[in-house]
Amino acid sequence: DADVTQTPRNRITKTGKRIMLECSQTKGHDRMYWYRQDPGLGLRLIYYSFDVKDINKGEISDGYSVSRQAQAKFSLSLESAIPNQTALYFCATAAEYSNEQYFGPGTRLTVT
Amino acid sequence: GQQVMQIPQYQHVQEGEDFTTYCNSSTTLSNIQWYKQRPGGHPVFLIQLVKSGEVKKQKRLTFQFGEAKKNSSLHITATQTTDVGTYFCARAGSYQLTFGKGTKLSVIP
Repeated sequence: DADVTQTPRNRITKTGKRIMLECSQTKGHDRMYWYRQDPGLGLRLIYYSFDVKDINKGEISDGYSVSRQAQAKFSLSLESAIPNQTALYFCATAAEYSNEQYFGPGTRLTVT
Repeated sequence: GQQVMQIPQYQHVQEGEDFTTYCNSSTTLSNIQWYKQRPGGHPVFLIQLVKSGEVKKQKRLTFQFGEAKKNSSLHITATQTTDVGTYFCARAGSYQLTFGKGTKLSVIP
């Protein structure tokens, strides 16, 4: 959905570099999520936030951090990128009390 | 999180044939969702099932939730090339989703 945007869409970076992926939404949703997708592994939850002051670890949070700057913005950081963090990263949002999630277009990250 | 197992991982069908993907859990599910991801795209919500034995239809797609709420299926009748993509089931709990690994559907014209 155009209501959820991610920047950059593609990024190639080197091992050890710090990188930030950004997600913005105009849906007015409180809940925001970060997932990574690897071939054959489905989508795995990295971090999620239910409002601006709420941050929760997901299944695979090691090596990542997040910041919820505002209701509409949720950023994912890799403090020191490593090659096995090469993946497709999706941001998603959901309304309060809803399980239906709306995904952004994804960021394809390559760490060399 | 508790996993949901999805089979098959891949399915190749001739256009016009039917397709089914299955989602299984060892524990009872409060609900199950289905998403579709087109090649190069992002997951898009299709449906949520909540009730035991529930059956919902969307045109050629039929979604079922098992009586014991431990399994679900998505059936596509007479596949078309527009059905190509990966279909994911996801269990919802505490407003988090745990996704299956998906079934990638290829349709041969």
